[in-house]
Amino acid sequence: DAKTTQPPSMDCAEGRAANLPCNHSTISGNEYVYWYRQIHSQGPQYIIHGLKNNETNEMASLIITEDRKSSTLILPHATLRDTAVYYCIVRLDAGNNRKLIWGLGTSLAVNP
Amino acid sequence: NAGVTQTPKFRILKIGQSMTLQCTQDMNHNYMYWYRQDPGMGLKLIYYSVGAGITDKGEVPNGYNVSRSTTEDFPLRLELAAPSQTSVYFCASSDRGGSGTDTQYFGPGTRLTVL
Repeated sequence: DAKTTQPPSMDCAEGRAANLPCNHSTISGNEYVYWYRQIHSQGPQYIIHGLKNNETNEMASLIITEDRKSSTLILPHATLRDTAVYYCIVRLDAGNNRKLIWGLGTSLAVNP
Repeated sequence: NAGVTQTPKFRILKIGQSMTLQCTQDMNHNYMYWYRQDPGMGLKLIYYSVGAGITDKGEVPNGYNVSRSTTEDFPLRLELAAPSQTSVYFCASSDRGGSGTDTQYFGPGTRLTVL
């Protein structure tokens, strides 16, 4: 599976948009980009995923570049409860291969 | 639905002791996973299962064993606990959907300390 590179930490003001970048320059054509987050000491929580097109759900938006070598997770109106570690993962969807390779993620601090 | 439940929440073991971490899901998911997370690190896959009776190794399987006799349960066994196994253990499950849908749902974790 392709590996990802994320900044170790970011800050965001409450109510502003948080834009979290991720580089996955070795991504293959059939690898999906997944985003999870982990609030302190809890189990990770799924946010969003995509293959080629931009995606939006009730939690966030995912912008994937045309060459698919990078993506950005957007939290449109960050709140204090969005303070967490955000993981960008690429995963091969082939048969029974269900392995997610987790990096260190980005620690997002939302400040009042 | 309770989702994914794990027991116990906390445990302290002595070196050489054994224990089983329990994981149960009530979403009828075929896929289940065990991860460990060391302080300040991302998750590492220990074992996973694609259905009852089928298990496979992940990145860090040494020192652990699993079984999957039912769809709901996926226990993780530590036979001879070592200090290197001090970690937080997360169980997860997922189901195969269309278009790459494979959201993993995680339990609350088991915090294990081996002294």
